[in-house]
Amino acid sequence: GENVEQHPSTLSVQEGDSAVIKCTYSDSASNYFPWYKQELGKRPQLIIDIRSNVGEKKDQRIAVTLNKTAKHFSLHITETQPEDSAVYFCAASIPGNTGKLIFGQGTTLQVKP
Amino acid sequence: DADVTQTPRNRITKTGKRIMLECSQTKGHDRMYWYRQDPGLGLRLIYYSFDVKDINKGEISDGYSVSRQAQAKFSLSLESAIPNQTALYFCATGRRTVSQETQYFGPGTRLLVL
Repeated sequence: GENVEQHPSTLSVQEGDSAVIKCTYSDSASNYFPWYKQELGKRPQLIIDIRSNVGEKKDQRIAVTLNKTAKHFSLHITETQPEDSAVYFCAASIPGNTGKLIFGQGTTLQVKP
Repeated sequence: DADVTQTPRNRITKTGKRIMLECSQTKGHDRMYWYRQDPGLGLRLIYYSFDVKDINKGEISDGYSVSRQAQAKFSLSLESAIPNQTALYFCATGRRTVSQETQYFGPGTRLLVL
């Protein structure tokens, strides 16, 4: 079945630096890749997503890239701010219009002021 | 989103007790999901439902059962709670479209089984 690996598990950066979180997936038929941000004590919230017919998508300081050949996708956060500190989850759709997502293990991002 | 609510938000129970976690949504979505979150393991799917008559097991359904009382309500039960079911539980909703898989999460229920 589909599997998603996420790295690193923890990431610490200085405010203003960039942060990159990487995920790999196993099923080449997956076609939807969302990223969720979970602040401490809060629910996961969708921050950006990408579909398999697109290679890159940006929304202000965040961007996601997808390499279908290599079956990996990445989240890029530029000009990090302390409020970016959170746990980030990647996910991949399970093919066949199943309505299901398989999630990565999560990355705890700490942005130091 | 305030459109997906869960009750209770926190619960402490004892081994062997039966408990129910409830989820309600006003988003009008047909799909509903129950996940559990454990440190280092991400979010794992317990059960999901595409409508009132369609309920399916996820990857970790043992020890759990669900009920879809209406399109807007999806409950998760632990028939006989055990300590390794201590976790953070999330309900989520989604809409059925050709290519849309986006899910929206409730605020979570923190469960401690003693």
